[in-house]
Amino acid sequence: EVELVESGGGLVKPGGSLRLSCVASGFTFSSYSMNWVRQAPGKGPEWVSSISSTSTYIYYAASVKGRFTISRDNAKNLLFLQMNSLRAEDTAIYYCAKADAVVVGSNFDYWGQGTLVTVSS
Amino acid sequence: QSVLTQPPSASGTPGQRVTISCSGSSSNIGSNTVNWYQQLPGTAPKLLIYNNNQRPSGVPDRFSGSKSGTSASLAISGLRSEDEADYYCAAWDDSLNGLVFGGGTKLTVL
Repeated sequence: EVELVESGGGLVKPGGSLRLSCVASGFTFSSYSMNWVRQAPGKGPEWVSSISSTSTYIYYAASVKGRFTISRDNAKNLLFLQMNSLRAEDTAIYYCAKADAVVVGSNFDYWGQGTLVTVSS
Repeated sequence: QSVLTQPPSASGTPGQRVTISCSGSSSNIGSNTVNWYQQLPGTAPKLLIYNNNQRPSGVPDRFSGSKSGTSASLAISGLRSEDEADYYCAAWDDSLNGLVFGGGTKLTVL
């Protein structure tokens, strides 16, 4: 059974940093691209970043480019999101999502339960 | 303002058929496949339809998707109370080099 479990969320002050992690199980992690999607309170999902299976291709939403860094460790089945220079508008539940392909851009067939990031002074 | 446009709400009575539209452009729906996600209250989104009209295993055939040009639609037939949820369309956008979601449609079963 596919399972994605996020961790690392919490309360951080504006300008601060957080590192989110997602541990994957139940599938061959190294064979699929992975993604981060966030959802602000009362809003719809917003795509944040995608990384291909071998980390060759990486994409970011304009709203986070230059501040967030996605990475993965295929040996440990881990996906990361390093978030720097956090702003109040980054407050959201952050979901780790598995893509249904090696390459970026396909559907997200499995999602984690999410981890809440709150940016506030 | 979302790149993909959906009606904010839709409704129907049990047993009815409802459709939810998703309008985009040549750089997203016009050139890539559309996926639909269902989000029940307090839960993560769940893949409902992929590649425009394919259902993942376990999704009832009451749910169907279609695409024409730069628009897509999700149809739900035989509406049930458990279908009450938020529905989102999504597609890769070649101009933005990223995934774009619709603003979501809240479905109410009357």
